[in-house]
Amino acid sequence: AQSVTQPDIHITVSEGASLELRCNYSYGATPYLFWYVQSPGQGLQLLLKYFSGDTLVQGIKGFEAEFKRSQSSFNLRKPSVHWSDAAEYFCAVDGNKLVFGAGTILRVKS
Amino acid sequence: GAGVSQSPSNKVTEKGKDVELRCDPISGHTALYWYRQRLGQGLEFLIYFQGNSAPDKSGLPSDRFSAERTGESVSTLTIQRTQQEDSAVYLCASSPLGRGRGDTQYFGPGTRLTVL
Repeated sequence: AQSVTQPDIHITVSEGASLELRCNYSYGATPYLFWYVQSPGQGLQLLLKYFSGDTLVQGIKGFEAEFKRSQSSFNLRKPSVHWSDAAEYFCAVDGNKLVFGAGTILRVKS
Repeated sequence: GAGVSQSPSNKVTEKGKDVELRCDPISGHTALYWYRQRLGQGLEFLIYFQGNSAPDKSGLPSDRFSAERTGESVSTLTIQRTQQEDSAVYLCASSPLGRGRGDTQYFGPGTRLTVL
């Protein structure tokens, strides 16, 4: 069965610090992988996605994610977090079904 | 161009009443999805429409929930005899091609439903 796990429900980082949000998936083959962001009161917006090829994917707002087949992971990273990055982040897997993780809420402290 | 729109943005209803939520997808998008997002929780898949194919209704939580889509345009999610546990934000998304193709979903702003 296809599934997505985001192990961290909440993460708090200081402004300017680096960020890594974890995502692990379960699927029999290599799926398409996504990260979406939901700012307070807003709909979801695509940050980046992985199709194939280069395992390091660049997205909007300075985010990147790395696909690691051996670990079935697609972790999201940002070198320096800004206060405006405070939001909820969802990892999603598109195999034969489209499944979203439970989300990670990012808090940024000044 | 216009994004996905949903109406109403907020709906307050009394327990036992029926409600209708509307989604206008991006023109030309063949796929349309409905999700439910309860407070503090992730996205719960409800239903998926793909062109003229039979919809995937596997996520609908009970027979009080139903949805329709006219061709590749507007969709309506109907909840009959609403219960307090139906209170949530209902999100609609559309995409050009559909599941299994790495499509980007474009989300609407959601309808916040409150059942008193």
